[in-house]
Amino acid sequence: AQSVTQPDIHITVSEGASLELRCNYSYGATPYLFWYVQSPGQGLQLLLKYFSGDTLVQGIKGFEAEFKRSQSSFNLRKPSVHWSDAAEYFCAVGAGSNTGKLIFGQGTTLQVKP
Amino acid sequence: DVKVTQSSRYLVKRTGEKVFLECVQDMDHENMFWYRQDPGLGLRLIYFSYDVKMKEKGDIPEGYSVSREKKERFSLILESASTNQTSMYLCASRPPMGGQETQYFGPGTRLLVL
Repeated sequence: AQSVTQPDIHITVSEGASLELRCNYSYGATPYLFWYVQSPGQGLQLLLKYFSGDTLVQGIKGFEAEFKRSQSSFNLRKPSVHWSDAAEYFCAVGAGSNTGKLIFGQGTTLQVKP
Repeated sequence: DVKVTQSSRYLVKRTGEKVFLECVQDMDHENMFWYRQDPGLGLRLIYFSYDVKMKEKGDIPEGYSVSREKKERFSLILESASTNQTSMYLCASRPPMGGQETQYFGPGTRLLVL
């Protein structure tokens, strides 16, 4: 069965520091992978997605993610974090049907120190 | 611009009440989804619909039902609310294309069952 694991429940970084959020997936075929962000009290907003082609994907707000098939990973990165990046981040994998079902990870809460 | 709206941001209900959560999208999307979000568990799929009057159970359908009489509206029904249904409920929609299509989320309804 498909699954997604985000090993870090909570991460704190200083403003201006680099960020990497980890995501590991379990899926038999080529996965469709997504990163969403949820600001406090808000719904989810898509940061970026991967479904084929270049394994380094650029997203909004200066985020990028790299698909590594050999490691079953899709880690999210940002070179310099801003205070407004404090939020909860979710990795998700497409469940492989045309219905578009997604399997979500548990989420990682990012706190940014001034 | 993409728009998914949910009828209430906050709801307080009593145990045993019948509760309706409404979701409306203005993008003419065929697929619509209801998730619940709980700390440490990420998003879990309750039900989804891939067309009017069509629905399928997700991973945690017990205690819930849904209705999709019109394409733009997808309702989640708690037949007899219980305290363990206190949660954040998120609605999403997406077009019925391949698995790489994005799901668009509403702002969520935070439900408290007393």
